[in-house]
This record gives sequence, C-alpha cells and structure tokens, in this order.
Amino acid sequence: EAGVTQFPSHSVIEKGQTVTLRCDPISGHDNLYWYRRVMGKEIKFLLHFVKESKQDESGMPNNRFLAERTGGTYSTLKVQPAELEDSGVYFCASSQVPFPGYTEAFFGQGTRLTVV
Amino acid sequence: RKEVEQDPGPFNVPEGATVAFNCTYSNSASQSFFWYRQDCRKEPKLLMSVYSSGNEDGRFTAQLNRASQYISLLIRDSKLSDSATYLCVVGGSGGYQKVTFGIGTKLQVIP
Repeated sequence: EAGVTQFPSHSVIEKGQTVTLRCDPISGHDNLYWYRRVMGKEIKFLLHFVKESKQDESGMPNNRFLAERTGGTYSTLKVQPAELEDSGVYFCASSQVPFPGYTEAFFGQGTRLTVV
Repeated sequence: RKEVEQDPGPFNVPEGATVAFNCTYSNSASQSFFWYRQDCRKEPKLLMSVYSSGNEDGRFTAQLNRASQYISLLIRDSKLSDSATYLCVVGGSGGYQKVTFGIGTKLQVIP
C-alpha cells in the first residue's frame, strides 16, 4: 500500500515567488494534516482537513498560506508570496480517524522549502 | 515554558547500552502520548503509543507519569540501527485534539 507522498521533495524559490506543495494521503484516509518544521524548532501544526473541509486552520501563519483539498483526495498548500521565514520542511500526514485519539498518523517525507 | 520539552541531545551511547529519554508536557489535561522516530531527512514514523499502564515492545519500553507530567522511553541493548531522532508527541484534551511535538532527542549509537 502506498504511503503518504509529497511533491516536490525540495524546492528553492526566490522571495516573492509562489510555490505550491502537494500531498497525496493514504487512500481512504479522510483526515489530512499539514505541519511545518522550521530549522532548529519543533514540528508545528498548520491545519487539518476532514475530507474536503477545513476542520482546523488555526496553525496557518498568515494569509499568504492557502490550503485546499478539492474532492477530499490530495491536498495542496500554496505560499504566495513566499518570504524568507517560510523556509522549512513541510510535512503532510493522514489518518483514518482524527489524530491523535489513539490512532496513528502516517507522515510523508516532507517538502524542504528554501526561500532565498 | 514550552508545551512539550525534550532534551535535544545528542545522546552518544555505545552498542549494547541502555538509554532513556524523558519528555515533559505542560498541559495536565493531555490525553494521548506517542513516541515517533525520525531518521535523518525521512518522515516521522510511529514507534510506540504510550499508555497509562506503560507498554513494552521488544527492547523498547514507554511509560507515562501523569503526576509529574512526563513520558519516558527506554531502549535496552542499543543497536546501531536505533540511531535516529525520537520525537515526543502529546495530544490535547476535549472532543477535538491537536498534537504538540517536542523538538526531538537525537540518539547516536556508536560501534
């Protein structure tokens, strides 16, 4: 069974440009999460989808970040315009039922974003 | 004070040694506790869930101390393949829980 896949694995963009990250969750997982790890810091929650609906987007840093999950399958996270402080590793995770709640979340390998 | 605190290490231990990590959490109402393992530049993967009664999986033992608000991970007979970063993950309380990650403890097992 395919795990959570993220694309691209790396992205280097200039400040002010736009980048779109993609996450394909495990098939059948209604719950999809985005997290971010800035260098030297903890992994931080960004938002949570249940199917195509945003359950919680309280972790989104600002309105330069836009997440979508059309049709409740894959999700995209767009950063527009990118700033230097957006650099980090963006992880996507999915789970059958909401995580934690005694269930496991499966993570993708992450997209390493560098804004220069 | 951070919600979830871990010693980032690194912990350098010889093969065969026993090593223990602690993780403290600030929210006394936290309900769910996990240890995830992350290899360099890889995705975090669940190592163990941590239950009130404690649990063991082979060489790994996890325990929860609610009174002192910490969880622990004990690794016995360390292997080179145990070298990784161990992330403490704590879930909140209430109907909808959000998880908080510790910064991770880096373990390096030396031949």
